Amino acid sequence: DTGVSQNPRHKITKRGQNVTFRCDPISEHNRLYWYRQTLGQGPEFLTYFQNEAQLEKSRLLSDRFSAERPKGSFSTLEIQRTEQGDSAMYLCASSPSSGGKETQYFGPGTRLLVL
Amino acid sequence: GIQVEQSPPDLILQEGANSTLRCNFSDSVNNLQWFHQNPWGQLINLFYIPSGTKQNGRLSATTVATERYSLLYISSSQTTDSGVYFCAVHALGKLIFGQGTTLQVKP
Repeated sequence: DTGVSQNPRHKITKRGQNVTFRCDPISEHNRLYWYRQTLGQGPEFLTYFQNEAQLEKSRLLSDRFSAERPKGSFSTLEIQRTEQGDSAMYLCASSPSSGGKETQYFGPGTRLLVL
Repeated sequence: GIQVEQSPPDLILQEGANSTLRCNFSDSVNNLQWFHQNPWGQLINLFYIPSGTKQNGRLSATTVATERYSLLYISSSQTTDSGVYFCAVHALGKLIFGQGTTLQVKP
């Protein structure tokens, strides 16, 4: 069990550019979640997957955001036409089964800075 | 939606002191987790505690689901305990976080 991994750990980009983040969950975890955390706040839910199916998207996830989990393993989160307000820590988590009540385990996060 | 409130927002302790962090939530929940976020941003699981009391070393947690609150106790605090402590409730599969308690333990 190697834990949840995320890449890159840090990303600096210019406003208007596209960025893509990757999350590798704990092996055999069915559920994968994305959260966003801004400075001084708790993480906020963005979206989650049950295997490859995206089951819920928060209103925080604008049309510029898209997430995929094509084979039910790793996931990518893409932000198109980045804005300064997108600067945040993007956290990925996974949990072991479909019940939705199990412990969620978090990765180290990707810190995004949009200049 | 469910509201999660943590108190106090900030706490400064001298090394060796004890502390209690509180988490109130506005509606019935399936479960609750406590996390410690280290200075590098990593969220570390402390407890998964739908009800009752659990202990892990110097840390313990109690959740009283019927009264919609949870407490995290830190005894004999150490400088390495510094950071932000979050509680998060499970609601329809996702976690809803409080605003956190920032703890600073001074040597």
